[in-house]
Amino acid sequence: DQQVKQNSPSLSVQEGRISILNCDYTNSMFDYFLWYKKYPAEGPTFLISISSIKDKNEDGRFTVFLNKSAKHLSLHIVPSQPGDSAVYFCAASEGGSNYKLTFGKGTLLTVNP
Amino acid sequence: EPEVTQTPSHQVTQMGQEVILRCVPISNHLYFYWYRQILGQKVEFLVSFYNNEISEKSEIFDDQFSVERPDGSNFTLKIRSTKLEDSAMYFCASYQGYNSPLHFGNGTRLTVT
Repeated sequence: DQQVKQNSPSLSVQEGRISILNCDYTNSMFDYFLWYKKYPAEGPTFLISISSIKDKNEDGRFTVFLNKSAKHLSLHIVPSQPGDSAVYFCAASEGGSNYKLTFGKGTLLTVNP
Repeated sequence: EPEVTQTPSHQVTQMGQEVILRCVPISNHLYFYWYRQILGQKVEFLVSFYNNEISEKSEIFDDQFSVERPDGSNFTLKIRSTKLEDSAMYFCASYQGYNSPLHFGNGTRLTVT
């Protein structure tokens, strides 16, 4: 079951630069998308979300872009900081903010000082 | 900041034994979830719970699993007769209502031997 795919298992960037994490989905019924960050031995922490009626949502250093025609979303972190180093999960649901989420496998982001 | 609390952080049990995983959701939250993550795999939805009943469950959530909100604060997941393949990280999550984020606990690592 690969309804939500994060094709890059890892990403390494320099502090201060932009981090771009990508996510693709196949289920056209998904209409709400979220990004979570996870540190080891902790649960996922909500970062930012976007509804399918929008194509961009911004919160501080974090911006999520949604391309519905391509079934693709991305998370931009600018500027990246060493504390951003974590696993980032893309997740999606049908029916608005119904939290029966389908997760991607995650991308390990490492921000180097 | 209020958080979802899960106990124990690690539970070891023998195959065939019953386990109860405990969660204290955030106090004014109304919707409760269990997710699990088998090592190396995706975070998977198990069950959602609202108004003292199951709203939705996945095909993983078979008759061996049950959930309960025994009082105003706790939310439990019971596995009646554990199998080796139940070994995973189990995450409890809760949210307040529409347009609020889903908050996860730090998880209980269940090891079935």
